[in-house]
Amino acid sequence: DIVMTQSPDSLAVSLGERATIYCKSNQSLLYSSNNKNHLAWYQQKPGQPPKLLIYWASTRQSGVPDRFSGSGSETDFTLTISGLQAEDVAVYYCQQYYKTSYTFGQGTKLEIK
Amino acid sequence: QVQLLQSGAEVKEPGASVKVSCKASGHSLTSFTLHWVRRAPGQSLEWMGWIIAGNDNTRYSQKFQDRVTITRDTSAKIVYMELSSLRPEDTGVYYCAKSDSGHYFDYWGQGTPVTVSS
Repeated sequence: DIVMTQSPDSLAVSLGERATIYCKSNQSLLYSSNNKNHLAWYQQKPGQPPKLLIYWASTRQSGVPDRFSGSGSETDFTLTISGLQAEDVAVYYCQQYYKTSYTFGQGTKLEIK
Repeated sequence: QVQLLQSGAEVKEPGASVKVSCKASGHSLTSFTLHWVRRAPGQSLEWMGWIIAGNDNTRYSQKFQDRVTITRDTSAKIVYMELSSLRPEDTGVYYCAKSDSGHYFDYWGQGTPVTVSS
C-alpha cells in the first residue's frame, strides 16, 4: 500500500493567520495517462463525516471557500488555509486515489491559538 | 443533490457479523462507485472496498478482503457492507462514500457506529 504521512500531527494558528499542512507519499501520485496527481484533502469535524475540500491535488470542490488551496506534485503536497476562521477547527486528512487500497494520512488536528 | 443515508448504530459480540446499509437518493445508483471507509477510535480513516454500482464489480482492501462483502440492491438504491468474524478492534464508525471517475469521495453518508464487545 502507498503510505501517506502528514505533518505536523497538530497545529495551532491564530485567527486570520495562515495554516499549512503537509502530506508526503512514498511513491509518486502523478498518473502519466492524465497528467494529474491523484491526491485529495478532507476536513472532518467531530460527529460529522469527512468533507471533500480539494481533489486532483489543487482543484477546489464546489462550495469550498477560496481560503482553502492545495498544491504540490508527485510525492509532496500542501494544504493551505489563508485567513483562518473559527469554523476551520477540524482534523484534516490527505488521501491518495492513485491505486487501491486507497490510503489516508494519519490526520492533522488544527486548533486556534 | 446526492444524499447517502446509512442504517443505525449496531452493537455486536465478537465473532458475529454486522451488515450496514447505505441508501442513495438524488442520483442513479448505477452511475457511480460506492465505497466503505472506517474510522476506528484514535485511528485515521481506512478504505475497506468499493462496488461499481453499474456492473456489480467489487474490490476490497487486502486487510479486509477475507471478511467483507459489499453488495447492492439497485431497485431499492441500497448498498450493503457486511463484515464478519467481528473483533473488538472493529469498533468504529463506518461510512459509505460516493466517487465518480476519479476515486475521491465527494459525498458521504452520516456514518454508522459499530461497537464490538462481549
